[in-house]
Amino acid sequence: KAGVTQTPRYLIKTRGQQVTLSCSPISGHRSVSWYQQTPGQGLQFLFEYFSETQRNKGNFPGRFSGRQFSNSRSEMNVSTLELGDSALYLCASSLGGRGLAGSPADIGQYFGPGTRLTVT
Amino acid sequence: AQKITQTQPGMFVQEKEAVTLDCTYDTSDQSYGLFWYKQPSSGEMIFLIYQGSYDEQNATEGRYSLNFQKARKSANLVISASQLGDSAMYFCAMTLNRDDKIIFGKGTRLHILP
Repeated sequence: KAGVTQTPRYLIKTRGQQVTLSCSPISGHRSVSWYQQTPGQGLQFLFEYFSETQRNKGNFPGRFSGRQFSNSRSEMNVSTLELGDSALYLCASSLGGRGLAGSPADIGQYFGPGTRLTVT
Repeated sequence: AQKITQTQPGMFVQEKEAVTLDCTYDTSDQSYGLFWYKQPSSGEMIFLIYQGSYDEQNATEGRYSLNFQKARKSANLVISASQLGDSAMYFCAMTLNRDDKIIFGKGTRLHILP
């Protein structure tokens, strides 16, 4: 099975611009979660999509938004970029079922290689 | 609020030695899952091992084992016979039964010395 893919891998944008990042989950996975990783704040949860619906949301401003398509691929958009948005953005896919019963493979979230965004 | 604490920012270990990475967690939920992830310098997060709160036996995956002590709320990762390729950042993480969000600790940077 192919792993989680993210495009682009690297991106340089200017303050005030907007950016769209893409994530293709593992085949059969219906949940896609997005995380922001910075040296200062560590890994922070942005939001999760399951069957094209946002199911969970972290504490980020409305400039951060996302969506999921019928094939489970997800996009994340950041509008009006700020210098502080420079980070590694990771997406993770999982089966998305509720509860913690099952094998580790059923429960685990599998991450993509990330998109490194630099805002200048 | 849920929280993961990793108290070792960095560790240096000789190759072939066993290493224990510490993790404590805080939650009032009775049902939760604990993960360990490895992040090499390339940036990708690699899923290593999982332990459910109701699992009575410690999880093991090859050279990785999770020392789960529920009463102490600790979930330490043990790597046996460390290898140079184990040098990476290691994150302890937790998910609760009611949603799919994962909460991460700050991580421990492990250096394996030849």
